[in-house]
Amino acid sequence: DAGITQSPRHKVTETGTPVTLRCHQTENHRYMYWYRQDPGHGLRLIHYSYGVKDTDKGEVSDGYSVSRSKTEDFLLTLESATSSQTSVYFCAISGTQKTPGNTIYFGEGSWLTVV
Amino acid sequence: TQLLEQSPQFLSIQEGENLTVYCNSSSVFSSLQWYRQEPGEGPVLLVTVVTGGEVKKLKRLTFQFGDARKDSSLHITAAQPGDTGLYLCAGGKLTFGQGTILTVHP
Repeated sequence: DAGITQSPRHKVTETGTPVTLRCHQTENHRYMYWYRQDPGHGLRLIHYSYGVKDTDKGEVSDGYSVSRSKTEDFLLTLESATSSQTSVYFCAISGTQKTPGNTIYFGEGSWLTVV
Repeated sequence: TQLLEQSPQFLSIQEGENLTVYCNSSSVFSSLQWYRQEPGEGPVLLVTVVTGGEVKKLKRLTFQFGDARKDSSLHITAAQPGDTGLYLCAGGKLTFGQGTILTVHP
């Protein structure tokens, strides 16, 4: 158990509304990530963070923003949700003294449906 | 951009059979990871390989990292229905392969 909690786990929202997904970790990992997983596309990196207030874009960052004001929390925001953002979103963490930096641990996922 | 190609994409076999899943790239990776994901859950790390030519065993699963650190394989001996799931390789800057969906029939 890597101590990752995602919320909400399931959400249905309307097109054009803002949505925020939260990732909370309890083990002081330096790196945090947001991925989306879609059939035929595998896992694609949206944004990641390498420390408080330090974030960078991933492969599919358009339409998403992130914030990390505390080590333990990494927020993913869809400013104006679109149907193409219907997906399963996974938060992941990595980077402690005990584990190699490239080994990451995933949360249980957040199912988002935009109607 | 570092890409990882997994093959096959789908694998449907009978209990007791052996199988191999491949993860290939034209890029060199400092390490590769293998994950297994079950429906409704997040991927779970199985193993990390870091040395070219390295072989790691996890019960009936054998993982190998290519000598040139550009490819890896996962071999399952005597597959069981409990092995059913999505197998993902990952490496580099958080790059994932497309995954292999394995179904083992009783």
